[in-house]
Amino acid sequence: AQSVTQLGSHVSVSEGALVLLRCNYSSSVPPYLFWYVQYPNQGLQLLLKYTTGATLVKGINGFEAEFKKSETSFHLTKPSAHMSDAAEYFCALGESSYKLIFGSGTRLLVRP
Amino acid sequence: GAGVSQSPSNKVTEKGKDVELRCDPISGHTALYWYRQRLGQGLEFLIYFQGNSAPDKSGLPSDRFSAERTGESVSTLTIQRTQQEDSAVYLCASSTHGAGLYNEQFFGPGTRLTVL
Repeated sequence: AQSVTQLGSHVSVSEGALVLLRCNYSSSVPPYLFWYVQYPNQGLQLLLKYTTGATLVKGINGFEAEFKKSETSFHLTKPSAHMSDAAEYFCALGESSYKLIFGSGTRLLVRP
Repeated sequence: GAGVSQSPSNKVTEKGKDVELRCDPISGHTALYWYRQRLGQGLEFLIYFQGNSAPDKSGLPSDRFSAERTGESVSTLTIQRTQQEDSAVYLCASSTHGAGLYNEQFFGPGTRLTVL
């Protein structure tokens, strides 16, 4: 069965520090992978997606993610955290042409 | 332009009552999705509408849950005889439908349902 696991329900970093949010997936077919962000009192917003091709995907707000098939991972990174990055981040796996399986989310806290 | 809107933003109801949640998608988006987000968990797919095709209802957790969509506009999610385990945030999303897979879904802010 297809699934998504996000390691760490909460991650805390200092402003300016590296952000690393972990996502592992299980899929019997080549995966389509996504990262969404949910700011307080707002809807989810697509950060980036991997379909095929280049394994390093760049998204909005300086985030990027690398697809590693051998590790079944799609970790999200940002070199330098900003206070405005504080939000909840969801990794998702495409199950069909439209259906997404979401991880349980990671809440990012940025300390001044 | 206007994004996806949902109403009400919050709903408190008593166990056993029926509730109706509304979603207004982005104009021109033919695809519409409902998800449930329980506290501390990820989003669970509930139902998918695409144009005039039969909806994909495979995620509805029980026959107490139903949803309708009028053409390519408003959708309502109805929960009958609510139970405490129905307490969650219900999210709606819409997208265009083209030849590509996984067209970007645009999410509304959600309706927080509390069943007492």
